[in-house]
Amino acid sequence: GQNIDQPTEMTATEGAIVQINCTYQTSGFNGLFWYQQHAGEAPTFLSYNVLDGLEEKGRFSSFLSRSKGYSYLLLKELQMKDSASYLCAVRGMNTGFQKLVFGTGTRLLVSP
Amino acid sequence: GAGVSQTPSNKVTEKGKYVELRCDPISGHTALYWYRQSLGQGPEFLIYFQGTGAADDSGLPNDRFFAVRPEGSVSTLKIQRTERGDSAVYLCASSPSTVETQYFGPGTRLLVL
Repeated sequence: GQNIDQPTEMTATEGAIVQINCTYQTSGFNGLFWYQQHAGEAPTFLSYNVLDGLEEKGRFSSFLSRSKGYSYLLLKELQMKDSASYLCAVRGMNTGFQKLVFGTGTRLLVSP
Repeated sequence: GAGVSQTPSNKVTEKGKYVELRCDPISGHTALYWYRQSLGQGPEFLIYFQGTGAADDSGLPNDRFFAVRPEGSVSTLKIQRTERGDSAVYLCASSPSTVETQYFGPGTRLLVL
């Protein structure tokens, strides 16, 4: 199967930078996704990594190291609206090429 | 454009009753997924469709759960003889194909009393 670990909660201050880590174990890795989920709402796609390296998209960046089974999501210039859960999800061939396996999510609280 | 829509947004039912949850995917998306999310957890895969057929239903917890997608667009998740443990948010997602990004609907919050 696939094991995905990410911290349960993190806190940060408005304007700061925060890094949310995700480690995974899988066979036949075929992509890692980050989603943002505000309380009571649907997960919203943030980023996708399938090759090693950094993908940058505005204030958000995501990094992947396949050899280490490790990814992080970097949020810059934090805003109050960034308070949400951040879900790391992996797609692997051993459990079905298409479906996503999610971590439990990291709840980020941004304070003034 | 319109995103994934799900109805109802909330459903309260009694133990033992039958419920149907509906998902309207993004127009033109051939792949459709159902997930279940309990409080404080990430979404958990239930089933996915490629077109009209269920390509992988390995996540359905037992035979009380069934899903259909008869015309390759709208899908219905059906739960028979509901149990209190079925209470969760049921999320639907769609993607242009099975190898592309999945886009989620707002979910149906099911509460079984």
